[in-house]
Amino acid sequence: EAGVAQSPRYKIIEKRQSVAFWCNPISGHATLYWYQQILGQGPKLLIQFQNNGVVDDSQLPKDRFSAERLKGVDSTLKIQPAKLEDSAVYLCASGPGAETQYFGPGTRLLVL
Amino acid sequence: AQSVSQHNHHVILSEAASLELGCNYSYGGTVNLFWYVQYPGQHLQLLLKYFSGDPLVKGIKGFEAEFIKSKFSFNLRKPSVQWSDTAEYFCAVSPRSGSARQLTFGSGTQLTVLP
Repeated sequence: EAGVAQSPRYKIIEKRQSVAFWCNPISGHATLYWYQQILGQGPKLLIQFQNNGVVDDSQLPKDRFSAERLKGVDSTLKIQPAKLEDSAVYLCASGPGAETQYFGPGTRLLVL
Repeated sequence: AQSVSQHNHHVILSEAASLELGCNYSYGGTVNLFWYVQYPGQHLQLLLKYFSGDPLVKGIKGFEAEFIKSKFSFNLRKPSVQWSDTAEYFCAVSPRSGSARQLTFGSGTQLTVLP
């Protein structure tokens, strides 16, 4: 069974630029999550989708972050404009329901 | 809102030593509990989980964890560690009910096992 796919794996940008990350969940998984993991910390949930609807985006900085889940499958997370403090690993996870999550390899973002 | 505390930031052990990593959580309701592991260069993987029933749960690779409700704890144990157990370990909790079952993670414990 293929796992959660993410791209790109690494991205370096300058502050105030925009960046987008892509996630392809495990086939058939209804729930999709985006997490931010800053160095030395555990992952922090940014947004949760159930099919193509948002379930929880309370911790998403909506002034600069946006996310969508096209047709209830793939998802993109965008940052515009990026700040230095956005440097982190962005993790995508999916699950058949809300109980168990399977994580992708992450996208490591460095903002200079 | 729930929170998770992992008190050990870095643990160094020799092979064959016993391991116990602490995890305490705070939440006003019933929770599901998880331990995830991240091996060097790999993605987060589920090690074990507790939803209900026997508070002593067994996971992959010889790991186990015990849920002690009165102490709000879910400590991870392994009787004899191997060099290949070197990794970062994350405890996490999620509410057992509701549609927004967000996982809240602790800050992680880096385990280094010396050969």
